[in-house]
Formats: sequence, C-alpha cells, structure tokens
Amino acid sequence: GAGVSQTPSNKVTEKGKYVELRCDPISGHTALYWYRQSLGQGPEFLIYFQGTGAADDSGLPNDRFFAVRPEGSVSTLKIQRTERGDSAMYLCASSSDSGGTQYFGPGTRLLVL
Amino acid sequence: AQRVTQPEKLLSVFKGAPVELKCNYSYSGSPELFWYVQYSRQRLQLLLRHISRESIKGFTADLNKGETSFHLKKPFAQEEDSAMYYCALPPPGGLTFGKGTHLIIQP
Repeated sequence: GAGVSQTPSNKVTEKGKYVELRCDPISGHTALYWYRQSLGQGPEFLIYFQGTGAADDSGLPNDRFFAVRPEGSVSTLKIQRTERGDSAMYLCASSSDSGGTQYFGPGTRLLVL
Repeated sequence: AQRVTQPEKLLSVFKGAPVELKCNYSYSGSPELFWYVQYSRQRLQLLLRHISRESIKGFTADLNKGETSFHLKKPFAQEEDSAMYYCALPPPGGLTFGKGTHLIIQP
C-alpha cells in the first residue's frame, strides 16, 4: 500500500511569507507526527496528533507555527511570517496508534530566502 | 529532560570489519529505544527496537541500563550498510532523536 506522502517536496519562499506543508498519512493510521530536521541534526519533534486533536504540541518553536488535522487524516503544517531560520527539512510520520512504529514520509525541504 | 547522544558524527570502516555505533541516553523511567536508518535518497525507516530483541540485516542492539547505552552492532559490515543511523527515545509525544552517525563502509 501507499506510504506517507508529503507535498510539496520542495518549497522556496521569501522571508515574511506564509507557507503550508501537507502530509497524507498511511490510511487508517490514527497518530500523526511532524518533525523538523536542520542540516547535520536529527529530526526534532514539533507536534503529534491522535485523531483530529493535537495531543502534544510542545515542540512547536513559537506561535508562528500551527498544524491542523481536521478530519483525522491529512494534516497541514502552517508557518506564518517565515524567517530564514525556518529553513529545514520538515518530516511527517504516522503510526497505527500512539505507541506504534512510526512510518516517515519523504519530507518537504523548505528554503526561506 | 530526555536526551540521546550519538558521539560519532562519522564512522568509516572496511567491508567485513565489525561495526559499533554508539548511543547513550538520558531518560527517567524504563526506556524503549529505537534505531532508525536513512539510506541515500530514501526516507527514514525503523531498523530495530530493543523491545523486539530481533536482529535486522545482521544488526543487534542491547540495552545497558547501567551504562545508559543502546549501541548498535554488526559483526561483519557490508557496503549496503552505508547510511545515516539515528538512535531515538520513545513517545509520549514524538520520538527524541540523536544527531545521527554517518556510517561509511569502504570496499
């Protein structure tokens, strides 16, 4: 079956602009995670959804970052007033339940000029 | 706070030689640890988790609570093992990853 997909694969934007990154989890997976990976670092947790609700958003760096999962499937990570420091690879993962194996998407590479 | 340390950014070994990728952790409670791998141009994927106690692609990892370590080992490296390896602590919330070790297997 299809794995986790993320769109776009690359996004270039200008400082101050708004961006949306999309994640399609594996069908039937109730848990969905967002991570951010900067160059030379491991992925850093941003937010975790169980169903439609954000169960843990402690990793979001500030209030410019927001994520939704309105129907418990697709999720969108939204970044307002982007800054150059937001440039990174954004990874999405899903699992069948909160303790299950996380399956990762290919990521969206964001570049803020 | 929980933390994962992978002290080696880069590890280069010859094909057929033993491999050990180091991972130390800081965690209150009884942890379950993971090793994730990312091959060139592929997505991050689970290699093994300590609770399953299985060997995947010849790799094993033993949890040493006394030393707070979860080192990844393989007795005979193969060229296809070249990849980025990440040690990780479990949810709640998301996984906590180390910075990763780039393993290069030389022919």
